[in-house]
Amino acid sequence: DGGITQSPKYLFRKEGQNVTLSCEQNLNHDAMYWYRQDPGQGLRLIYYSQIVNDFQKGDIAEGYSVSREKKESFPLTVTSAQKNPTAFYLCASIGQGVNEQFFGPGTRLTVL
Amino acid sequence: KQEVTQIPAALSVPEGENLVLNCSFTDSAIYNLQWFRQDPGKGLTSLLLIQSSQREQTSGRLNASLDKSSGRSTLYIAASQPGDSATYLCAVKTNAGKSTFGDGTTLTVKP
Repeated sequence: DGGITQSPKYLFRKEGQNVTLSCEQNLNHDAMYWYRQDPGQGLRLIYYSQIVNDFQKGDIAEGYSVSREKKESFPLTVTSAQKNPTAFYLCASIGQGVNEQFFGPGTRLTVL
Repeated sequence: KQEVTQIPAALSVPEGENLVLNCSFTDSAIYNLQWFRQDPGKGLTSLLLIQSSQREQTSGRLNASLDKSSGRSTLYIAASQPGDSATYLCAVKTNAGKSTFGDGTTLTVKP
């Protein structure tokens, strides 16, 4: 089955730790995105990548980092510089042509 | 900067009712508009995608319209069912490749 997988589903982080969230897609999509969702709110863009080895900051990139070494993978690192990282993180991808956006199941990150 | 607003924030209707969800945006220079459904604690499921050149799209009991000149889109749900209870989000994509999301409308359909 084609789709987007995110792992882990739940993640707990201690203060001062860096953590990495995984996002993998087998849809052969060029563009991939990371969003953050806080309770009762819409999605805010953290980083996006439209091609391998290239990525751009979104609206709330501070305290986050990404890499895009492979077309299928777009991991997000939440660094200790992110002051309020507790949130629901969603990964998405878009293919060429219709430009429909597809989402993974999300990772819920909690800072202890 | 694109801003997307969804009103109302929450809506409760009895089963069987037809309903309309609203999405408004400030910049009409859009590439497409996409409606999503989100169940609690889950990712987003795509419902309908309207390209900037289109006026509406239909899928089953769902119909989405787009009026770029007025900066509005509506999602019409016919004969609502309890299984339609979820949060509905709209996302507006610009030519720069980024999408801006509304905060969503949480729909409850009562049996």
